[in-house]
Amino acid sequence: NAGVTQTPKFQVLKTGQSMTLQCAQDMNHNSMYWYRQDPGMGLRLIYYSASEGTTDKGEVPNGYNVSRLNKREFSLRLESAAPSQTSVYFCASREGHNTGELFFGEGSRLTVL
Amino acid sequence: RKEVEQDPGPFNVPEGATVAFNCTYSNSASQSFFWYRQDCRKEPKLLMSVYSSGNEDGRFTAQLNRASQYISLLIRDSKLSDSATYLCVVILMFSGGYNKLIFGAGTRLAVHP
Repeated sequence: NAGVTQTPKFQVLKTGQSMTLQCAQDMNHNSMYWYRQDPGMGLRLIYYSASEGTTDKGEVPNGYNVSRLNKREFSLRLESAAPSQTSVYFCASREGHNTGELFFGEGSRLTVL
Repeated sequence: RKEVEQDPGPFNVPEGATVAFNCTYSNSASQSFFWYRQDCRKEPKLLMSVYSSGNEDGRFTAQLNRASQYISLLIRDSKLSDSATYLCVVILMFSGGYNKLIFGAGTRLAVHP
């Protein structure tokens, strides 16, 4: 079982460059999430998609955009990367926005120089 | 004040020891509570839910104290494989069915021979 798969696992960008983090889940979950994890801080929600066709801002959405491409896929885009966006990004999914265990992908380590 | 606070540790304990972590939360409207485990450079995974009456899963015991607004995790007979960061997760419920997951920054446990 693949669960939640995210790519790439590592990426180095220069300030101002753009990139998209891809995420796919094969558990038929309705809800998908993008978090960032920084040292000394808890996981912070960037954007989420409670169900296919909807997306909403989380706690730290500035500098990011998302697309819920279909039920399986939820991508995160950095239009103009900044050093403050250096972080580990986790995609997660669960059965419903209010139900179920949260399953995480393996993470994407992004460094912005 | 952070919504969810944990002692970052590290807790360095010998194999076989009993160790306990606490996690305090600030919002009395918090409804559900969980412990996640995160291995170094890996994704968080659900360890156990925390029920009002307390619950046990093998060597792990979780407790909730609503009056003092904290949850705890007790690990008995520590194993080397227990070395990880333990994340406290609190769910706030709002009207309309919306909920918000809040992650603590984690407590690091290092079990040594």
